[in-house]
Amino acid sequence: NAGVMQNPRHLVRRRGQEARLRCSPMKGHSHVYWYRQLPEEGLKFMVYLQKENIIDESGMPKERFSAEFPKEGPSILRIQQVVRGDSAAYFCASSQDITYGYTFGSGTRLTVV
Amino acid sequence: AQSVTQLDSQVPVFEEAPVELRCNYSSSVSVYLFWYVQYPNQGLQLLLKYLSGSTLVESINGFEAEFNKSQTSFHLRKPSVHISDTAEYFCAVEETSGSRLTFGEGTQLTVNP
Repeated sequence: NAGVMQNPRHLVRRRGQEARLRCSPMKGHSHVYWYRQLPEEGLKFMVYLQKENIIDESGMPKERFSAEFPKEGPSILRIQQVVRGDSAAYFCASSQDITYGYTFGSGTRLTVV
Repeated sequence: AQSVTQLDSQVPVFEEAPVELRCNYSSSVSVYLFWYVQYPNQGLQLLLKYLSGSTLVESINGFEAEFNKSQTSFHLRKPSVHISDTAEYFCAVEETSGSRLTFGEGTQLTVNP
């Protein structure tokens, strides 16, 4: 079992470009969560998805950010027109059931220059 | 809504000394409690969790945490730390009916020789 796979590990974008972050959950996991970790801070919840459904997006910024988890393929976190304040580590987690806990990926470190 | 407070942002200790990392939470409903560890440039790894039953939970590498409902705390302890325990530790809670983890700001544990 390969665990939660995130790619790329590191991503550099210029201001105004788009960033696409991918997350493949563990096999058998149907719940995906995205978290953001700003420098020197803890993790902040962004969005919770199940296949083809956004369950809770209360942590997502209102503009420029979107997420999807299609029937086939990885979950995608998309940031349009990136700004320097978007620089952070973005972590994906997946779960089968809360009693089994969450499994986190190694994260994507986004740097906006 | 729930919140988590980790009272110490930095905890330096000497090797083989005991350590306690403090965590308090606030929630109006029942919660599950977790401790995660993050090594530099890596994702979060589940250290231990409290779901129900015995209030004292243990990890395989010597850490333990005790759920204290009256004090709304879930402090992490280890009687004798190793250099390899140097990492950032995050306390997290989830409502038993909820769908996301809420993290504390993290505690950087540094074990010195």
